[in-house]
Amino acid sequence: SYVLTQPPSVSVAPGQTARLPCGGYNIGTRSVHWYQHKPGQAPVLVVYGNSDRPSGIPERFSGSNSGNTATLTISGVEAGDEADYVCQLWDKSSDQVFGTGTKVTVL
Amino acid sequence: EVQLVESGGGVVQPGGSLRLSCAASGFTFSMYWMSWLRQAPGKGLERVANIHRDGSNKVYLDSVKGRFTISRDNAKGSVYLQLNSLRAEDTAVYYCVRDRSCDGIDCYYFDYWGQGTLVTVAS
Repeated sequence: SYVLTQPPSVSVAPGQTARLPCGGYNIGTRSVHWYQHKPGQAPVLVVYGNSDRPSGIPERFSGSNSGNTATLTISGVEAGDEADYVCQLWDKSSDQVFGTGTKVTVL
Repeated sequence: EVQLVESGGGVVQPGGSLRLSCAASGFTFSMYWMSWLRQAPGKGLERVANIHRDGSNKVYLDSVKGRFTISRDNAKGSVYLQLNSLRAEDTAVYYCVRDRSCDGIDCYYFDYWGQGTLVTVAS
């Protein structure tokens, strides 16, 4: 089965850039999507199709995907960005595959 | 505004049953596939089941086949998940989500989520 690997946590100072990796075998050939999940709230789609943003998502959120790593980049991090971020893709053998998530802490 | 609101979670004994409901609003419900996802404590998300726009096609996670049933009522804008023969390992937060696809190969994702409803299976 296909596995997505994410670091458990990332800390970043306000105004700085957070780069959240999502590792997987040849993930650069896949379509990767990202969700933001704050405690007690519904998860929110922030990037789909590797780098597209749904309407209403700030340009500070961007995605890239190459080789064995997809990356969600949050530029100019704000306190309100503190959340868990989960990557996801569809695999023919495994159906929907989710990473275990990265908790972003704003210092 | 798109909204998905789940209900029906609770505490149930092993072997028991629950019916989860998801009320959708803010979009033409009958035009979309819908899924139920779940996240067990300390574990990652997994898709439990999904259902075609008209209910004609349903797909299930292997571990719930024969125990869970997904259904929908397009007139009411609702999707349901009947959970039977519950096991401790079914304990999780269950999310109702809207399925989407994008251009490109194998591009499937979920663009709206509910807040989730907690199912606890314990004696």
